[in-house]
Amino acid sequence: RKEVEQDPGPFNVPEGATVAFNCTYSNSASQSFFWYRQDCRKEPKLLMSVYSSGNEDGRFTAQLNRASQYISLLIRDSKLSDSATYLCVVAKDSSASKIIFGSGTRLSIRP
Amino acid sequence: NAGVMQNPRHLVRRRGQEARLRCSPMKGHSHVYWYRQLPEEGLKFMVYLQKENIIDESGMPKERFSAEFPKEGPSILRIQQVVRGDSAAYFCASSPLGTSGSWLDTQYFGPGTRLTVL
Repeated sequence: RKEVEQDPGPFNVPEGATVAFNCTYSNSASQSFFWYRQDCRKEPKLLMSVYSSGNEDGRFTAQLNRASQYISLLIRDSKLSDSATYLCVVAKDSSASKIIFGSGTRLSIRP
Repeated sequence: NAGVMQNPRHLVRRRGQEARLRCSPMKGHSHVYWYRQLPEEGLKFMVYLQKENIIDESGMPKERFSAEFPKEGPSILRIQQVVRGDSAAYFCASSPLGTSGSWLDTQYFGPGTRLTVL
């Protein structure tokens, strides 16, 4: 079993729709959680950190469920520019080597 | 303030040749991290360096791969005697903070070097 698992997609949704995807992690001792966005053939960029209480940034909401060991990302009122691959990142501790990137979920927004 | 710079952006090598990938961190950043991304996979940590020091190389393959971050100049990831399986995107990231505190929040990635081994 992979340490961080994501549905690879692609999720193909119309503009304006709400879309959500989850990421599961295997190590219950994981401490930090993040969502990154990666455009095709570009570098990953931090989208948002995920806090225990959940957090929102504009149209994006991230949730953490420690009991079930998953994090989620919800995108409301999706835009064409949201088309990208979303990477789930889980860290057991602050060591660089303990940062695990998921392989990503591809999202495609159609007009 | 220029971002993290990597060059070359694309590199083609034949099996058995050497590949040298360079990374210049953002101004003011003294911590550099190298990652490898195989097609359809997530990024895999390779090595974490500070100036003139390798802090954590637990993700580096035991053979053929080496990294340095000299006092002057960019960080270099060197792959000797490349094989087809080395074909991947290699990303460098830099941070002003080390692996303590919220360093991930301040980690910026370069555009990557896409290595193709023929």
